[in-house]
Amino acid sequence: QKEVEQNSGPLSVPEGAIASLNCTYSDRVSQSFFWYRQYSGKSPELIMSIYSNGDKEDGRFTAQLNKASQYVSLLIRDSQPSDSATYLCAVYNSGGSNYKLTFGKGTLLTVNP
Amino acid sequence: DAGVIQSPRHEVTEMGQEVTLRCKPISGHNSLFWYRQTMMRGLELLIYFNNNVPIDDSGMPEDRFSAKMPNASFSTLKIQPSEPRDSAVYFCASRLGTAYGYTFGSGTRLTVV
Repeated sequence: QKEVEQNSGPLSVPEGAIASLNCTYSDRVSQSFFWYRQYSGKSPELIMSIYSNGDKEDGRFTAQLNKASQYVSLLIRDSQPSDSATYLCAVYNSGGSNYKLTFGKGTLLTVNP
Repeated sequence: DAGVIQSPRHEVTEMGQEVTLRCKPISGHNSLFWYRQTMMRGLELLIYFNNNVPIDDSGMPEDRFSAKMPNASFSTLKIQPSEPRDSAVYFCASRLGTAYGYTFGSGTRLTVV
């Protein structure tokens, strides 16, 4: 069973702080990694993708990937109350031509004003 | 682009009734996914179509569930007969290619009483 693990949280940070969200995965050959944000009662929204080891920055968001450790993280700088949501980590599992995303259960982030 | 369109947004039905959920993927996307989300189990993949052909239906919980994709712009997920344990949010998502993440629809919140 190929799995994606996240701490369920809640993770609570003060406004302006850095929020760090972590994810581990079991399929060593996974190649593509995504972070989704899901507000309560809404659908998941893709916010970051990363394919290579290292960091990828987009505005206040930085995704970090370490394939040797099977670890991917999302950093949110200058956290805002509007960042309060559940963050889902997703990993492509390769199974021949059967490319499908496996999602973690998500980490609930609360940013306190 | 209007995004992935799902209908209905909410469905309340009595146990034993047939339920049909509908999805229109983004034009040009060649893969379509049906997911179910609950608090306990998170996002679970039910079935995956590529170029209108079912590729992986291993997540379909039992024979009461069926899905079709008669053409590139329409898919249905049917539950017959419905049971209270089917109550969840059902998401449809589509994808342009294997290098990309999914785009989710707004979801259908199903309540079976």
